[in-house]
Amino acid sequence: AQKVTQAQTEISVVEKEDVTLDCVYETRDTTYYLFWYKQPPSGELVFLIRRNSFDEQNEISGRYSWNFQKSTSSFNFTITASQVVDSAVYFCALSVPHTGNQFYFGTGTSLTVIP
Amino acid sequence: ETGVTQTPRHLVMGMTNKKSLKCEQHLGHNAMYWYKQSAKKPLELMFVYNFKEQTENNSVPSRFSPECPNSSHLFLHLHTLQPEDSALYLCASSQGEASGRVNTQYFGPGTRLTVL
Repeated sequence: AQKVTQAQTEISVVEKEDVTLDCVYETRDTTYYLFWYKQPPSGELVFLIRRNSFDEQNEISGRYSWNFQKSTSSFNFTITASQVVDSAVYFCALSVPHTGNQFYFGTGTSLTVIP
Repeated sequence: ETGVTQTPRHLVMGMTNKKSLKCEQHLGHNAMYWYKQSAKKPLELMFVYNFKEQTENNSVPSRFSPECPNSSHLFLHLHTLQPEDSALYLCASSQGEASGRVNTQYFGPGTRLTVL
């Protein structure tokens, strides 16, 4: 069975602080895919990143970076120099092949960036 | 229009009403999904269509009835709903499942449904 845990329900930071959102996943499959989505107050889930289990390179995109560690089954997301526009709910998700492209979402982390 | 669109964005209905939610994708995908997002709960996958064929129905009550007339359009027909059905209903699309590969899902803005 697949499972994603986002233990942090809500986080508040002051603008310009760095913040890390945790994601821990469980799967017995050796091939799997991990995702992060951002859900601003408007409601739409915005795709941020996709990673497969064979690519452990960390990735940086502007102020966003992702740390994938298979040894701890974690795929953490860091926002550097946070901005008010980063305020949103962030979801981590897991999917494995041959399951009809089903995604398993965590419960999300609500991030509030205080000006 | 680009991406995934959903209409209406907000809907208020009584328990005896019949209404439909509409989703349209402009990404050339061939798989579409309905999700329910309730407060404080994980996203719940309701239905999946691959190449217009329903491939998943996660024990959804029959008062929700999906329809996928083509790979660009997806509907969710609602009738005799309950107040606990109030939620954000999200549509997503992706390329259809390919062997050994998972495809990214792209989401619409959702329909905020309130059942009185």
